[in-house]
Amino acid sequence: RKEVEQDPGPFNVPEGATVAFNCTYSNSASQSFFWYRQDCRKEPKLLMSVYSSGNEDGRFTAQLNRASQYISLLIRDSKLSDSATYLCAGGVAGGFKTIFGAGTRLFVKA
Amino acid sequence: DAGVIQSPRHEVTEMGQEVTLRCKPISGHDYLFWYRQTMMRGLELLIYFNNNVPIDDSGMPEDRFSAKMPNASFSTLKIQPSEPRDSAVYFCASSLAGGIQETQYFGPGTRLLVL
Repeated sequence: RKEVEQDPGPFNVPEGATVAFNCTYSNSASQSFFWYRQDCRKEPKLLMSVYSSGNEDGRFTAQLNRASQYISLLIRDSKLSDSATYLCAGGVAGGFKTIFGAGTRLFVKA
Repeated sequence: DAGVIQSPRHEVTEMGQEVTLRCKPISGHDYLFWYRQTMMRGLELLIYFNNNVPIDDSGMPEDRFSAKMPNASFSTLKIQPSEPRDSAVYFCASSLAGGIQETQYFGPGTRLLVL
């Protein structure tokens, strides 16, 4: 089983829709979690960090459920420009090693 | 700031040849990471350095891969000899400190194709 698992998608949604991605992690010692965005043929870029019970940044909300060992990303009022691959990642304190999921592809259609 | 710089951006080589990938981290960043990304395996951490010292190389696939960081502003990842299965995008990333809550900034990547 992979340490960090994501639904690969793709998710095809119309503009304005709300879409949610889930990501599960197997290492219960994981303490910090992230969502990265990766555009086609580009490098990953940090979208949001998720440290405790979750956080919100504009149209984006990240949630953490430690009991069930998953994190989620909610995108409201999706835009064409949100089309990308979203990578979740988890890190274990003391090891400085961040493990990435394989990514979930999102296509937002006009 | 120029961000993380990688070269070359694209590399096509033949099986058996030596490949050297280069990375210049963001100035002042103490940590440097090398990743490999493929469709099949996703983004995998190969090795990371702290203050030029390799800390964890458990992700390096095999002895054909080696990485060095001779100074704070330069690192190389070498594959010798290269094989077709090494074809991937290789990313270098750096962070200001090594804590897991620190943002990693990725370079644009090197697309490697081994024929």
